[in-house]
Amino acid sequence: QVQLQESGPGLVKPSQTLSLTCTVSGGSISSGGYYWSWIRQHPGKGLEWIGYIYYSGSTYYNPSLKSRVTISVDTSKNQFSLKLSSVTAADTAVYYCARQLLGMDNWFDPWGQGTLVTVSS
Amino acid sequence: EIVMTQSPATLSVSPGERATLSCRASQSVSSNLAWYQQKPGQAPRLLIYGASTRATGIPARFSGSGSGTEFTLTISSLQSEDFAVYYCQQYNNWPLAFGPGTKVDIK
Repeated sequence: QVQLQESGPGLVKPSQTLSLTCTVSGGSISSGGYYWSWIRQHPGKGLEWIGYIYYSGSTYYNPSLKSRVTISVDTSKNQFSLKLSSVTAADTAVYYCARQLLGMDNWFDPWGQGTLVTVSS
Repeated sequence: EIVMTQSPATLSVSPGERATLSCRASQSVSSNLAWYQQKPGQAPRLLIYGASTRATGIPARFSGSGSGTEFTLTISSLQSEDFAVYYCQQYNNWPLAFGPGTKVDIK
């Protein structure tokens, strides 16, 4: 079964770029049929969808974050990555990667375990 | 952009009792709604999609209903492992959006 695992720095300084990677195991990103997404959860708060990438490299971002987000894919490593630029304390959150079906069935399953990123000097 | 709301924010229930959670969309999402369960320190887990279809491995005590703008998640007889936060998510329109969650705790 497909499993996802986030990795990256847990501490980022304000104004810098947050960079995270999601490694997919048990299945190939290149097989198609799925979008690969990033979602975040501010401490003690709800969930915010950040954006997705398809194995071909096509992306779609939440308009609320679009100007600062880049999602990329490395099919050779079966990974996809998130970059969020010009971070502030408001970007402190647990960041999850997740899979969603292509087409209309855009629920998220499965999810990675999540990684906490704190923005602080 | 569709805004999701959930009520109540917290629901206190005794084990073995029924729990009814509500989710509302600011405009119709048809049946394109999912429910997730999140326990402390864990990622959300998919429970329901298509408003009423249980995901693989989800017990039958979880059921979903509704369409359009009003949805309900019912847990027929709460077990100890069901005390958690529950989120709804619409996937009818972009950007995808989640509700703020309902915390089900022990009465």
